[in-house]
Amino acid sequence: QKEVEQNSGPLSVPEGAIASLNCTYSDRVSQSFFWYRQYSGKSPELIMSIYSNGDKEDGRFTAQLNKASQYVSLLIRDSQPSDSATYLCAVKANFGNEKLTFGTGTRLTIIP
Amino acid sequence: DGGITQSPKYLFRKEGQNVTLSCEQNLNHDAMYWYRQDPGQGLRLIYYSQIVNDFQKGDIAEGYSVSREKKESFPLTVTSAQKNPTAFYLCASSINLAGGPGQETQYFGPGTRLLVL
Repeated sequence: QKEVEQNSGPLSVPEGAIASLNCTYSDRVSQSFFWYRQYSGKSPELIMSIYSNGDKEDGRFTAQLNKASQYVSLLIRDSQPSDSATYLCAVKANFGNEKLTFGTGTRLTIIP
Repeated sequence: DGGITQSPKYLFRKEGQNVTLSCEQNLNHDAMYWYRQDPGQGLRLIYYSQIVNDFQKGDIAEGYSVSREKKESFPLTVTSAQKNPTAFYLCASSINLAGGPGQETQYFGPGTRLLVL
């Protein structure tokens, strides 16, 4: 069983719409959650981090965390063509374990 | 400019050859990491180091070796024992921005693409 699961996509969203990316994780002790954006051929770039249940907003991005359901999502409002990339979900436990576990990523395409 | 640098950008390895990938950071981060990414897959941890002169194996350490003699540097050697080395190699370092326990955030260098001749 994969520890962090994401739909590989591709997910196609019209420009200006909301893109919704989902991630589930299996380790209940996971406490820190991160979303990275990776353009083709480039390295991952941190977009959001979230540690508490609920929503966290940063510009057009909103991360949502539900620890009871072991679910974290990323919403991108007013999607732009420049948002087309692969989005990686990563989770980490906080108890002496410094390792991030990554999902395989969701490829997002914004259609002009 | 502060950041993480990796060199070279592309590296070619011949059969039976050991090659070393460089990773340097001037962010004063304590922890550093090496990941491997294969096409269409997520990142897999090779080695990580939380302090100088100490490092731990990740999930796929076989065929790789590292050293951490300086805080700024964490080179990765891909040995001839690694039979399938073609991949995108990513170095990262981390800092605790949120202040809570275990809330270190990892930042990545630009990566090195290793190809086998």
